Amino acid sequence: GAVVSQHPSWVICKSGTSVKIECRSLDFQATTMFWYRQFPKQSLMLMATSNEGSKATYEQGVEKDKFLINHASLTLSTLTVTSAHPEDSSFYICSAKTHADTQYFGPGTRLTVL
Amino acid sequence: AQKVTQAQTEISVVEKEDVTLDCVYETRDTTYYLFWYKQPPSGELVFLIRRNSFDEQNEISGRYSWNFQKSTSSFNFTITASQVVDSAVYFCALSDTGANSKLTFGKGITLSVRP
Repeated sequence: GAVVSQHPSWVICKSGTSVKIECRSLDFQATTMFWYRQFPKQSLMLMATSNEGSKATYEQGVEKDKFLINHASLTLSTLTVTSAHPEDSSFYICSAKTHADTQYFGPGTRLTVL
Repeated sequence: AQKVTQAQTEISVVEKEDVTLDCVYETRDTTYYLFWYKQPPSGELVFLIRRNSFDEQNEISGRYSWNFQKSTSSFNFTITASQVVDSAVYFCALSDTGANSKLTFGKGITLSVRP
């Protein structure tokens, strides 16, 4: 149990385009989901906390207009990187929290902006 | 503020050796959770264990064991008889127990197990 999927697993896009990443909890309902960013050989950096039916809470320094988060259902959260630029290239990972307060992670999405 | 320190950055062992990954944490909360996650080269973080602050019992799961010492604020992870498949980055993490609790990660330890 506690499986989280993420789609796409990788994406290459041109600078200026927007990219949407989906995060789904497959076998449980998740009131709270999280979005992280990870640079090579570094730890995970929390970008935002996403609660179903309400606005996301962004960490300090994360541009909410650039990284749009929607959590419309108990099993789906989406992250849209708007007007992507090369510096947005990174590994984006989502997680979903179970009722037992454990975060299970998706497989990640590698974004490359040309 | 919460903090997790994984002082070891890279560890290299030969297969079948035992290896211990250290984790030291700081928190003002009286109730909290401690976690270990494994991140293999594929990138996905795999949940290994969650420990409640009230439960100081050590845990063993196959070749994996965890030693939780509240007195020293440590939650160390030992792999017995390591295998090549254990090669990965291992993260220790800490969270409070609130509704919107967030994970505080350590910087991770890169474990390389050589055949």
